[in-house]
Amino acid sequence: NAGVTQTPKFQVLKTGQSMTLQCAQDMNHNSMYWYRQDPGMGLRLIYYSASEGTTDKGEVPNGYNVSRLNKREFSLRLESAAPSQTSVYFCASSEYMGPITDTQYFGPGTRLTVL
Amino acid sequence: AQKITQTQPGMFVQEKEAVTLDCTYDTSDPSYGLFWYKQPSSGEMIFLIYQGSYDQQNATEGRYSLNFQKARKSANLVISASQLGDSAMYFCAMREINAGGTSYGKLTFGQGTILTVHP
Repeated sequence: NAGVTQTPKFQVLKTGQSMTLQCAQDMNHNSMYWYRQDPGMGLRLIYYSASEGTTDKGEVPNGYNVSRLNKREFSLRLESAAPSQTSVYFCASSEYMGPITDTQYFGPGTRLTVL
Repeated sequence: AQKITQTQPGMFVQEKEAVTLDCTYDTSDPSYGLFWYKQPSSGEMIFLIYQGSYDQQNATEGRYSLNFQKARKSANLVISASQLGDSAMYFCAMREINAGGTSYGKLTFGQGTILTVHP
C-alpha cells in the first residue's frame, strides 16, 4: 500500500517547455487534488477532482490543466512553463469531498524549477 | 482576510518538554473541520490530527492534542514529550462546509510554523 505516489520527484524546465506531473493513489479514494507550495505561502489549491470524470479549478489554476485519467490517477500539465511556476507540487487524495471530516493524504511532492 | 493564521514563524523546545503551536481561524460557517499536518525536511505532508466544529471534546492522537477554543476561534496543537523527530514545519488547515462555489470542501492552509527540538 503505497498511498499517494508522484513522479517525477525533481524536474528542471526551461521557460516555454511543457511537462506533465503524474499522481496515483491506491487507497480507492474518490477525490484528488493538486496543490502548489511556495515559500511563506502555505499550500494553495490548483485543481481538484471530486470524483472520477470531474475536475474543477481551485484557487490558482492559471497556466495549468488537469486530467483525471481514472479513479487512481490525476495528472497536472504545464503547457508552457514560466518561472513563476517554480514551486513544490503536491498531489493529495481523500475518500470523498464534502464532509468536514474528509481527510486528505498527500504524496511526497515534486520540486519543479523553471529557468 | 486570512482564513488561517499561524503567528509563530518558528518555535524552539527542549526534548521531552511540551510545546504549543498556535492557530487561529476565521469563518462564518457553523460547520467546519480543522486539521494539522507535519512537514519534515524530507518534504512530505503527514496528517496528524482532526477537530470538528461540533466536537465536544478536544481531539487527541498519541502525543498530539488539539486545544480547541471555539469562541476564540483557535485550534492550537499541543505536542507532549517532544522528540528530536518532531522537528519539522507544522501546518494548520481548515475545511469549511459552505465555502461557496468551486471551493466547496477545499482545505485552506496557514503559512506554517517551523518547530525545532533541541536535545
